[in-house]
Amino acid sequence: DQQVKQNSPSLSVQEGRISILNCDYTNSMFDYFLWYKKYPAEGPTFLISISSIKDKNEDGRFTVFLNKSAKHLSLHIVPSQPGDSAVYFCAARASGGTSYGKLTFGQGTILTVHP
Amino acid sequence: DAGVIQSPRHEVTEMGQEVTLRCKPISGHNSLFWYRQTMMRGLELLIYFNNNVPIDDSGMPEDRFSAKMPNASFSTLKIQPSEPRDSAVYFCASSLGSGLVSYEQYFGPGTRLTVT
Repeated sequence: DQQVKQNSPSLSVQEGRISILNCDYTNSMFDYFLWYKKYPAEGPTFLISISSIKDKNEDGRFTVFLNKSAKHLSLHIVPSQPGDSAVYFCAARASGGTSYGKLTFGQGTILTVHP
Repeated sequence: DAGVIQSPRHEVTEMGQEVTLRCKPISGHNSLFWYRQTMMRGLELLIYFNNNVPIDDSGMPEDRFSAKMPNASFSTLKIQPSEPRDSAVYFCASSLGSGLVSYEQYFGPGTRLTVT
């Protein structure tokens, strides 16, 4: 049962344009969401996060939007740069329970930004 | 400042052999996580420890997999016997606290395991 889903395996964008990566979740107990970025032969690195009490968080070129009613979040990258080409993972954390602190990841979306 | 250290970076072994993956978390971090990445399932959490104690091992595929954390600076993930379907990239990650203060996990570079 995939509780965090990234339905687009890949996305191709022209440099300077907006990249929008999407993520859907099913668990209503998720209260914190993160995006990780992964380059080949490296481990994922933290990019940006959002708490369920917010609907938007911005950090430079990166903005994450959260729609709790739709159980959907998205990552916007504006403007996109070739160096942004990587795999992007969406992750979520459930509040409470014995697995507090555990993250559930999506399958990842490969972003390619063309010069 | 050293990040999460994993060894080996690459491991090629024959089916039936024992494989041991190693991880040194960031100093001061008290939560440690083992993940497996495959094309089909993405990043799956196998097991995680808090203060060296296993908290959730529900992601461990089967009895062939075992993990230990004998102290705060070292953990192992063992597969015995290994099978071709275990081929994947295995990541170790660590974080400070149980997630109350920071939910960020810091990942190591991974171990690419190939079982022939």
